[in-house]
Amino acid sequence: KAGVTQTPRYLIKTRGQQVTLSCSPISGHRSVSWYQQTPGQGLQFLFEYFSETQRNKGNFPGRFSGRQFSNSRSEMNVSTLELGDSALYLCASSRWGAKNEQYFGPGTRLTVT
Amino acid sequence: DQQVKQNSPSLSVQEGRISILNCDYTNSMFDYFLWYKKYPAEGPTFLISISSIKDKNEDGRFTVFLNKSAKHLSLHIVPSQPGDSAVYFCAASTGSARQLTFGSGTQLTVLP
Repeated sequence: KAGVTQTPRYLIKTRGQQVTLSCSPISGHRSVSWYQQTPGQGLQFLFEYFSETQRNKGNFPGRFSGRQFSNSRSEMNVSTLELGDSALYLCASSRWGAKNEQYFGPGTRLTVT
Repeated sequence: DQQVKQNSPSLSVQEGRISILNCDYTNSMFDYFLWYKKYPAEGPTFLISISSIKDKNEDGRFTVFLNKSAKHLSLHIVPSQPGDSAVYFCAASTGSARQLTFGSGTQLTVLP
């Protein structure tokens, strides 16, 4: 079974630009969550989608947004990029159920210059 | 306010011995706990989990212990192997919320 895939793997953007990251979950997984990892703040939850609906959102500004499609694939968008948005963005998928075992993709390394 | 804490940034263990990684939490609403292993430039890999209704869960060389009264969990790896060298994160969640709250990680080095 294929794991979680994320594209692109690496991205360099300039301050003020916007970026869209993509995530394809494990087949059969309908919940997709996004996390940001930085050296200073560690792994932090961004938001979670299930059935094309955002179910939960972390403490990030409105510049961070996402969506989920009917095939469970998800995208996240960051507008008006800031230097501090440089991070590893991780997508995780899971089955909807009692066990919250989330399986992560390899991440997208975003560098903002 | 760190709700999940891993107070040891690093741990070195000899190959074949036991590795014990510790994690403390402050939020008594957490009811599901997980351990992940992470190599550089890769996403975290799920290792093992435990529900708050249990105090122990075992999977091969990995055992997780949960002490709810102390709000403490630990991951035991026996025997430790050089390939286990990685950063280990504990994570917790509440109820049906899928949000995972992560600790800061512990770098485990297994010496041959």
